Amino acid sequence: DTAVSQTPKYLVTQMGNDKSIKCEQNLGHDTMYWYKQDSKKFLKIMFSYNNKELIINETVPNRFSPKSPDKAHLNLHINSLELGDSAVYFCASSQVPSGGASDTQYFGPGTRLTVL
Amino acid sequence: GQNIDQPTEMTATEGAIVQINCTYQTSGFNGLFWYQQHAGEAPTFLSYNVLDGLEEKGRFSSFLSRSKGYSYLLLKELQMKDSASYLCAVRDKAGGGNKLTFGTGTQLKVEL
Repeated sequence: DTAVSQTPKYLVTQMGNDKSIKCEQNLGHDTMYWYKQDSKKFLKIMFSYNNKELIINETVPNRFSPKSPDKAHLNLHINSLELGDSAVYFCASSQVPSGGASDTQYFGPGTRLTVL
Repeated sequence: GQNIDQPTEMTATEGAIVQINCTYQTSGFNGLFWYQQHAGEAPTFLSYNVLDGLEEKGRFSSFLSRSKGYSYLLLKELQMKDSASYLCAVRDKAGGGNKLTFGTGTQLKVEL
């Protein structure tokens, strides 16, 4: 009965490789997000999708490409991994994208990516 | 852009009360959230304020003053399990209305 789930939980890989992280939510939410939390614990938005449509795209290298096959899934593909990509990546979801009073974001457990 | 400031660390005693402050600057304020994050875990929602005043939820309360760009999270009857990072996040009207910008978090340590 997990609300927001991510796989894998841990990912260790070499520089230059391509990897994907998957996210699924069973809350019936319309909007999903990807965040990056760096070694200093700073949590920063990367992307947001509403019903498979990209609505937030922060200044992120184009090596990062989100894909939303349906509104319950938002995957993150990273090409040509670099050392600086090492971080914890959190997926989140919320009911609607308009910022209403009850539109709280719920986070997945995170994927700890280590690039060697 | 947005600036969100909160203290880096705080220490308090079990059973006591602690107040974690957050100041922010934003052009399109659309709500302020507090999240709790234990080490190695996901942030979990604690409270939400969009109007001025105090919101109370059990041992936790959150206050907002929009004119001062200021919020605080008040934790009462502290327990050891409250040791965690507390993240202040401001929602902006830009980016579809639900873009959250987080502060760097306040690491709270509860001691005996």
